[in-house]
This record gives sequence, C-alpha cells and structure tokens, in this order.
Amino acid sequence: GQQVMQIPQYQHVQEGEDFTTYCNSSTTLSNIQWYKQRPGGHPVFLIQLVKSGEVKKQKRLTFQFGEAKKNSSLHITATQTTDVGTYFCAGRNTGGFKTIFGAGTRLFVKA
Amino acid sequence: GAGVSQSPSNKVTEKGKDVELRCDPISGHTALYWYRQSLGQGLEFLIYFQGNSAPDKSGLPSDRFSAERTGGSVSTLTIQRTQQEDSAVYLCASNQRGGANTGELFFGEGSRLTVL
Repeated sequence: GQQVMQIPQYQHVQEGEDFTTYCNSSTTLSNIQWYKQRPGGHPVFLIQLVKSGEVKKQKRLTFQFGEAKKNSSLHITATQTTDVGTYFCAGRNTGGFKTIFGAGTRLFVKA
Repeated sequence: GAGVSQSPSNKVTEKGKDVELRCDPISGHTALYWYRQSLGQGLEFLIYFQGNSAPDKSGLPSDRFSAERTGGSVSTLTIQRTQQEDSAVYLCASNQRGGANTGELFFGEGSRLTVL
C-alpha cells in the first residue's frame, strides 16, 4: 500500500540555523500537503503542492515538490523559537482521495 | 460551528468496554477523515468518507473498529472491546472537495482515549 516516509524524526537547531525535512513516497502522488502541529495541538495546514517541480515560499519557509512527484521538502531559513513543533507531509495518490501522512519531523529550537 | 468539533475531548475507559467518539465536520464539507495519533507518533489513517460513496475503510486496524457517517454530516467512530493499545488521540478532519479549494484538511482538537 501507499507509504510516505519522512526524515529526520527529530532535529535540534540553534535559533537562526536553517532546518530541512524530507518526504518520500513509494508511489506517485497527485499532490503533497504540509502541516504543522504545535505541542498539544492539532495539525494545521501550511500549503499544498500539485505540479511537478513546483516550488512555493511562505516568508522563511520554502516548499518543493520533486519532478517525479514522489518526494518533497520543507526548508526553514533562520529558524525562530516560534517554529517549534512537528512538521508533517501528507500525500494523496493519483486518482484517490485518501491522504496519508508521514511520521513527522519534530523541530526543537534553542534560543 | 465554525470548525470541526469532536467529543468527548477526553475519555478514560476500562479494558473491554466499548467507546464512541463523535465528529461534527465543518458545514458543507463532503469529505471526512479519521486518524489516530499515538503519543509522539504520526497520524495513522483509519477511514475516509466522501459524500454518499462507500467509505474507504482500508486503515481500520481490526474488526473492533467501525465508523458511520449519518446524513453526510456527523460521524461516529466506535471501538468495541477496547484494548490498552487503542489508547491514542483520535483526530477527525473534514475537507470540501472540488472547486478552487486548496485541499486543506481541517482538523478537530481530537478525542484523547485512555484505556486502563
């Protein structure tokens, strides 16, 4: 069945350092979404990527979707303490609507 | 309501008891998802409803788990003969398919289930 792998599981950074999390699917995706979950909270949507090779930016966050539509990345430039939380990618297969989440990358930022 | 509403927010039960968890999606959202999140873990897909179509039950971990969605709105997730490994936060999400929507899943606050 469809699997979405995400690495790393944890990342500790000093405030101001960059951070990247990577997502890889076993199957071609129709789209990929990214969510952020703060400790004790529920996942909150950040963005959706649909096109092969697509790159989108939100302030210090850069999202990429691979050419083969099987991998994606989220890069945060100059992390801040407010970036703390778990970042999940979520993929949807072509022709389907089931959305499968990666295991998430938990980001710790030290001031 | 303005968002996805889930109840109860917390449920403590004894092993072997049945539990029902409720999800009230955003009005007009045709798609509804249930996920399970164990402590410190990712989101495990359980079941997906879309309109009047047959639900995708491929993520239900055993036949002790079932879900219904009445009238295309409220959904109930039922766990029979609960086991300690069922302890987790059960998250519901809804989505409006089609049109110019972003595909965003809107999550409720979750129901935290503890099986003693």
